[in-house]
Amino acid sequence: AQSVTQLGSHVSVSEGALVLLRCNYSSSVPPYLFWYVQYPNQGLQLLLKYTSAATLVKGINGFEAEFKKSETSFHLTKPSAHMSDAAEYFCAVSVPNTPLVFGKGTRLSVIA
Amino acid sequence: GAGVSQSPSNKVTEKGKDVELRCDPISGHTALYWYRQSLGQGLEFLIYFQGNSAPDKSGLPSDRFSAERTGGSVSTLTIQRTQQEDSAVYLCASSFSQAGSYEQYFGPGTRLTVT
Repeated sequence: AQSVTQLGSHVSVSEGALVLLRCNYSSSVPPYLFWYVQYPNQGLQLLLKYTSAATLVKGINGFEAEFKKSETSFHLTKPSAHMSDAAEYFCAVSVPNTPLVFGKGTRLSVIA
Repeated sequence: GAGVSQSPSNKVTEKGKDVELRCDPISGHTALYWYRQSLGQGLEFLIYFQGNSAPDKSGLPSDRFSAERTGGSVSTLTIQRTQQEDSAVYLCASSFSQAGSYEQYFGPGTRLTVT
């Protein structure tokens, strides 16, 4: 079975600072990995996904993530945080013919 | 095109009543998923459909929960004899295929409050 661990339920950064949200996964077969963002009172929106092509994946809003098989990680980064990045972020793992398995989420706060 | 829609957006019901939640997926998406999101529990998978069939019902928390999908499109999640612990946001998502690599598109959710 697959699983995802997101380190840190809450991360706070200053505006303009680096954003780093950590995600580690467990899977017995090569996984597909996703990051989703959820703004208050909204559904989840896909930020980016890894599907066994390039290990460095670029997504929307300046976010990117790097798949590191040796570390079983898929951390999400953004060089410079904006106030509009404040939201809940979910890492998820999938293998063929199974539903997504989500981490518990990391709430990102951006301080002016 | 239109995204995933869900109705109602909010539902308040009394304990013991039945509720129906509706999901309208993106046209052409064959896979449809239901999740529950509650405080402290993250996103909990409930059930998914490939076409009209539900190969995986393992996430349904009790036999009070059921779901159906007709015509490969609209899905209804029914909760019978609601309990207070059923209070949560119920999210629906659809994807082009259940191949794993296809992203899921989420609706805005239905916030269910059981009083």
